[in-house]
Amino acid sequence: DVKVTQSSRYLVKRTGEKVFLECVQDMDHENMFWYRQDPGLGLRLIYFSYDVKMKEKGDIPEGYSVSREKKERFSLILESASTNQTSMYLCASSLGSGGADTQYFGPGTRLTVL
Amino acid sequence: AQSVTQPDIHITVSEGASLELRCNYSYGATPYLFWYVQSPGQGLQLLLKYFSGDTLVQGIKGFEAEFKRSQSSFNLRKPSVHWSDAAEYFCAVGPYGGGGNKLTFGTGTQLKVEL
Repeated sequence: DVKVTQSSRYLVKRTGEKVFLECVQDMDHENMFWYRQDPGLGLRLIYFSYDVKMKEKGDIPEGYSVSREKKERFSLILESASTNQTSMYLCASSLGSGGADTQYFGPGTRLTVL
Repeated sequence: AQSVTQPDIHITVSEGASLELRCNYSYGATPYLFWYVQSPGQGLQLLLKYFSGDTLVQGIKGFEAEFKRSQSSFNLRKPSVHWSDAAEYFCAVGPYGGGGNKLTFGTGTQLKVEL
């Protein structure tokens, strides 16, 4: 089974802090994704990566950056956390670039910014 | 731009009753369509997907969905709901933005099951 793990289930940070969310997948998948999930808004794509060191902006990249130094690991970085970044963050991975590829999701990190 | 509409925010059904969750999409070409389920405190799990062929798709946990191009719909159905089906359900369409399998998700439908 594909396993996508996220470093923390719950995280509390203060405004202005630099925050790192880590995601690791164990199936040698090419693509990795970061979403945020908010009530009434569904999932919105922040960034995705289709190869090591490659990244592409999603729908809401402002205030975020990403890093993919190794194939299995995809990090989401909040350079200076703000209260409006309080949310559930979901990481996903998929095998290749085919449109029908299944995305496999991690359990999520619930981030609270005070 | 592609989009997905899930018109029902909340649905309540009795255990054993049938279920239909609605999903309408907007997409310029032949879509790839997905239904995911999210149990409380969990990530999303794929229920089923459509990308070609038979328009009636069978998934896990007894779910099925029918792709209707004329109605731009991909509704999820289950003939008899179990209490463990209580969860949030997301419809998604892809790909967009030049390729890869980036998905656009709907806003979700929260299903409550009454015993």
